[in-house]
Amino acid sequence: DGGITQSPKYLFRKEGQNVTLSCEQNLNHDAMYWYRQDPGQGLRLIYYSQIVNDFQKGDIAEGYSVSREKKESFPLTVTSAQKNPTAFYLCASSRLLNTEAFFGQGTRLTVV
Amino acid sequence: AQTVTQSQPEMSVQEAETVTLSCTYDTSESNYYLFWYKQPPSRQMILVIRQEAYKQQNATENRFSVNFQKAAKSFSLKISDSQLGDTAMYFCAFMTPHNNAGNMLTFGGGTRLMVKP
Repeated sequence: DGGITQSPKYLFRKEGQNVTLSCEQNLNHDAMYWYRQDPGQGLRLIYYSQIVNDFQKGDIAEGYSVSREKKESFPLTVTSAQKNPTAFYLCASSRLLNTEAFFGQGTRLTVV
Repeated sequence: AQTVTQSQPEMSVQEAETVTLSCTYDTSESNYYLFWYKQPPSRQMILVIRQEAYKQQNATENRFSVNFQKAAKSFSLKISDSQLGDTAMYFCAFMTPHNNAGNMLTFGGGTRLMVKP
């Protein structure tokens, strides 16, 4: 089935550690996005990419990094510089221009 | 910058009744798209309905319809014949298509809807 797969579903990180969240899509979409969701709030854009080997910062990119080496994959690294990383992270993808975004099932990251 | 405001943090409705969720937005763009997404307890984001700003006709998808008031920058969602499965967080979202900037969505803060039996 076509879709977006995020892994793991739950992730625990010790303070000071970097962690990488996986996002893979088989929808042949060009654009991919990472959003962060905090309790009781809407989603905020972290990074997005329209093409392989190119990506742009969103509204809250500080403390995060991404790569786009393959069209299908857009991993997000939460670095130790991110002050408050505990949140729910959603990956999405879309065709370019004027189209619906499809979302993965999310990763819940908790700092312990 | 675009902003999206949902003024109702929580709402409840009796099963089979009708409920309307409010959304207002602010933009200087003339070409844009508006969406309502549903996030059930599973936390999967599901597209409910979308509206193109250039279309005057309000979008409808089965029991879901919108009231799009472009001049007032208002985009409300009406759910008719509410079902228990409609219980979820509902997010209003805005998008302006840009060739070089992707289709990023700007989300409102959400409305938690509870459908009561």
